[in-house]
Amino acid sequence: AQKITQTQPGMFVQEKEAVTLDCTYDTSDQSYGLFWYKQPSSGEMIFLIYQGSYDEQNATEGRYSLNFQKARKSANLVISASQLGDSAMYFCAMRGPSFQKLVFGTGTRLLVSP
Amino acid sequence: EAGVVQSPRYKIIEKKQPVAFWCNPISGHNTLYWYRQNLGQGPELLIRYENEEAVDDSQLPKDRFSAERLKGVDSTLKIQPAELGDSAVYLCASSPTPAGTLYNEQFFGPGTRLTVL
Repeated sequence: AQKITQTQPGMFVQEKEAVTLDCTYDTSDQSYGLFWYKQPSSGEMIFLIYQGSYDEQNATEGRYSLNFQKARKSANLVISASQLGDSAMYFCAMRGPSFQKLVFGTGTRLLVSP
Repeated sequence: EAGVVQSPRYKIIEKKQPVAFWCNPISGHNTLYWYRQNLGQGPELLIRYENEEAVDDSQLPKDRFSAERLKGVDSTLKIQPAELGDSAVYLCASSPTPAGTLYNEQFFGPGTRLTVL
């Protein structure tokens, strides 16, 4: 079975600091994709970043980077220089050839304070 | 470019009543998804369409839930009759890439928050 685990129900960070949101995963597929989504209070899920299991480089998108450690089955999201607008729920998700759908974790609520 | 549109945004009904949700995906997106998100959880897939064909409905409770995607564009998700446990946010998403690719960026709508009393 495929599973995403996010162990941090909530995280606090001050504006302009960096924060790491943890994500571990479990799958028997050899190839898979890992995603991070942001869900603000308005409700829509916003795609942030993608990492393929065979990608040698860690993915980066602006202030977002994905710390991918394949042997440890972890795909942590790093947000640099946090902004007040980063306050939201963050979900890690996975997709593999044997399961043609996104499997989500339970999410981490991030609160950025001035 | 317009995003995924969903309506209504909020719906409150009494148990045993029917309810329907509507989704208009991004133009040109052939793949459409319906997810249910319970409070404090991540979204879970209910059904996936490739054009007008439902290719994965294994998680759809077929005794009370139904869905359709006429002409491979708009989609409707229906619950009849609703139960207390159906209270959740129902998210629609669409994707320009075939579902068989690993990199499958899905664009989500704002969701419909359903409350069943």
